[in-house]
Amino acid sequence: ETGVTQSPTHLIKTRGQQVTLRCSSQSGHNTVSWYQQALGQGPQFIFQYYREEENGRGNFPPRFSGLQFPNYSSELNVNALELDDSALYLCASSLDRPTSYNEQFFGPGTRLTVL
Amino acid sequence: AQSVTQLDSHVSVSEGTPVLLRCNYSSSYSPSLFWYVQHPNKGLQLLLKYTSAATLVKGINGFEAEFKKSETSFHLTKPSAHMSDAAEYFCVVSDPGRDDKIIFGKGTRLHILP
Repeated sequence: ETGVTQSPTHLIKTRGQQVTLRCSSQSGHNTVSWYQQALGQGPQFIFQYYREEENGRGNFPPRFSGLQFPNYSSELNVNALELDDSALYLCASSLDRPTSYNEQFFGPGTRLTVL
Repeated sequence: AQSVTQLDSHVSVSEGTPVLLRCNYSSSYSPSLFWYVQHPNKGLQLLLKYTSAATLVKGINGFEAEFKKSETSFHLTKPSAHMSDAAEYFCVVSDPGRDDKIIFGKGTRLHILP
């Protein structure tokens, strides 16, 4: 059983550019959640996908968007990058919605730096 | 609205001594509470979770936490610290009645002194 993987590990972009981050869920998991973790902060919930549909969203602007594919892998897209978007982006998968009974399994994250 | 406060941003203990990481929460419903650990360059790992069963929850690596509703607290403890416990720890609250929205605390960095 493979765990959650994310790519790339590190990424450097400039303001105004667009970026796509990728996540492969743990085998058998149909729910993916994305989090942004700024330096020295706890992760903040961006959105969640359940069976290819958005199933909840945090306080992030529309330039943060996502997709979930039939194999339950996922992408996070960020348009018009800003300096404050520099952070560690975490993906977590779970079997069904991550209620108290369904543990989320986290990937190691993608470190995005915006210059 | 739900929220979670980790009372210490840094905690230092000597190896072999007890660990206490403090967490207070605010929730309108009966929350679920979690502790996660984050080692450098590794994904977050679930230590333990409280889901309205026993108030004293035992987790992995010798950690445990006690849910105290009257104090709205969910402090994490371990009787004897090990060097490998050095990491960032996050307290997390989830309200099952509010679409299971998950809120992370800001984290506590645990330092283990030799």
